[in-house]
Amino acid sequence: NAGVTQTPKFQVLKTGQSMTLQCAQDMNHNSMYWYRQDPGMGLRLIYYSASEGTTDKGEVPNGYNVSRLNKREFSLRLESAAPSQTSVYFCASSEAIASLNTEAFFGQGTRLTVV
Amino acid sequence: KQEVTQIPAALSVPEGENLVLNCSFTDSAIYNLQWFRQDPGKGLTSLLLIQSSQREQTSGRLNASLDKSSGRSTLYIAASQPGDSATYLCSLGGGGGADGLTFGKGTHLIIQP
Repeated sequence: NAGVTQTPKFQVLKTGQSMTLQCAQDMNHNSMYWYRQDPGMGLRLIYYSASEGTTDKGEVPNGYNVSRLNKREFSLRLESAAPSQTSVYFCASSEAIASLNTEAFFGQGTRLTVV
Repeated sequence: KQEVTQIPAALSVPEGENLVLNCSFTDSAIYNLQWFRQDPGKGLTSLLLIQSSQREQTSGRLNASLDKSSGRSTLYIAASQPGDSATYLCSLGGGGGADGLTFGKGTHLIIQP
């Protein structure tokens, strides 16, 4: 019963390096999200995909790009990592983006350190 | 913009006590409210989802209520256990023009054995 799977779990990057965080869900959900969690700031939405083929910016999109590869997979790319992007990144999915009974499910997170 | 506030930020109580965690929000035009639990270094585990048309939901020792008119939700934990120690997060679906969930900063709960 996998749910939402994120890879990698941990990553250390040097400033200026690039990387892609991978996320896959097996619940046939339409909507997927990327959040970052920082001490004192809580969870903030980076990008989301309401349905396959669409992506939109969230609250803190600068420095990131996303790709909704198919219904199952939603990746987050850092083109040129900066120390300010040191954070824990969470992927989530839900059946729909704006629905009464839409329950969101989260992955286990990727802990990223940029040095 | 939807603003979500959780009070208290931290709480420490002896095992066996009943306790209440509070969540308040500024925009009542929500689809639902979801409570999560987060253990240190782990992801978020969904506890309860309350649709905007509902007043409360129960799961085992947990009961969550929703009062949209006052912009408040409470999470009641009965007969607390050390295993309940975690950070509890309140999130709103919708409100303030937001897509996705808007989170509070959480209540860090410690249950003393």
